[in-house]
Amino acid sequence: GAGVSQSPSNKVTEKGKDVELRCDPISGHTALYWYRQSLGQGLEFLIYFQGNSAPDKSGLPSDRFSAERTGGSVSTLTIQRTQQEDSAVYLCASSLTSGRHNEQFFGPGTRLTVL
Amino acid sequence: AQKITQTQPGMFVQEKEAVTLDCTYDTSDQSYGLFWYKQPSSGEMIFLIYQGSYDEQNATEGRYSLNFQKARKSANLVISASQLGDSAMYFCAMRGGGTSYGKLTFGQGTILTVHP
Repeated sequence: GAGVSQSPSNKVTEKGKDVELRCDPISGHTALYWYRQSLGQGLEFLIYFQGNSAPDKSGLPSDRFSAERTGGSVSTLTIQRTQQEDSAVYLCASSLTSGRHNEQFFGPGTRLTVL
Repeated sequence: AQKITQTQPGMFVQEKEAVTLDCTYDTSDQSYGLFWYKQPSSGEMIFLIYQGSYDEQNATEGRYSLNFQKARKSANLVISASQLGDSAMYFCAMRGGGTSYGKLTFGQGTILTVHP
């Protein structure tokens, strides 16, 4: 039905707090991706899921970042002990499969501000 | 490692004219996919067009076409008959194989401004 949805749309938190960002992919899409967009770094890949497993976590910046996906659907990106440099827009995308030719459909993003 | 380069930070075009946004890439993969996305000021990423590395024909989608020159490793986006609503940031991206399988690697983006 609907496109990729993300919640919350905006999150303001204090340095040192933990945050959880949620992504609901398009129904039937087996692959799910997290990216981060910031002024200084552009669009960076964080992690991708095929089903519930994560074949590539190479983009996670530190061990403060983790993500999980359950039931082959919803995914949660958790940032522990947030730092100011974590401030960015976190984008989630999904595709039918992880095949090269499948376009990724993006959600509206979660804007994270760490004070 | 894969790399996408967009050398035009900003481009200006008159309404109804055509514009070309440049993209060059670097990869050691034989099989890869190239994508263009549009990001308006609202922030959503909108898929525009896809070109596979083995596709012999240049991809077209409505007013968008991709000028794919494999030997030069370039994948330029051509927008014909520009409209005011085309004003946005445009990203070129690649999906390859091996350790890059699955994820998109993005260029730095080009801001397109369409003047009336």
